[in-house]
Amino acid sequence: AQSVTQLGSHVSVSEGALVLLRCNYSSSVPPYLFWYVQYPNQGLQLLLKYTSAATLVKGINGFEAEFKKSETSFHLTKPSAHMSDAAEYFCAVSDAGGTGFQKLVFGTGTRLLVSP
Amino acid sequence: DGGITQSPKYLFRKEGQNVTLSCEQNLNHDAMYWYRQDPGQGLRLIYYSQIVNDFQKGDIAEGYSVSREKKESFPLTVTSAQKNPTAFYLCASSPYPDRGYEAFFGQGTRLTVV
Repeated sequence: AQSVTQLGSHVSVSEGALVLLRCNYSSSVPPYLFWYVQYPNQGLQLLLKYTSAATLVKGINGFEAEFKKSETSFHLTKPSAHMSDAAEYFCAVSDAGGTGFQKLVFGTGTRLLVSP
Repeated sequence: DGGITQSPKYLFRKEGQNVTLSCEQNLNHDAMYWYRQDPGQGLRLIYYSQIVNDFQKGDIAEGYSVSREKKESFPLTVTSAQKNPTAFYLCASSPYPDRGYEAFFGQGTRLTVV
């Protein structure tokens, strides 16, 4: 079964600093990978996804992620943090199991804190 | 506007009571999902459905039941058999049940046992 591991339950940055949120995956097949963002008491919103096209994926709100097969990683970055980026971020991998039916398997999330 | 509507936003349940969480989508999506979210545990899959009148258990289905009588609706019942139901519940849908299609989420229902 596919899985993802997010390193660091909390990450703190200053406004204007680089944001780096880590995600490593485990998959027996070429993975499809996703990053979602969640603001308090809301649902999840897709930031970006990797589906085996370009290894550097650009998403919304200035975020991007790079797929590195050799490192089984899909880390999320943003060059300059903004106060509005404070939220929880989830990495997910598509798991079709033996049925071909997709289920998204989520990591435990990383809460991003942005200080002025 | 197209989207996924979950209701109610907040729900309180007494011990031994069954409650039903509503999930409606007007995106014409085939696949629908229910996830449970607890602090520090991410999202865990409860049930999923790829077509009307068909649904499958996820990783934590015990104490829950669902139905899929219409394409746009996928209600979740939290039964009295679920011993720790206090959590944030998220409904999602996807255009097709194939790999590579992202899930679209509702705004969630926060269930509290009182």
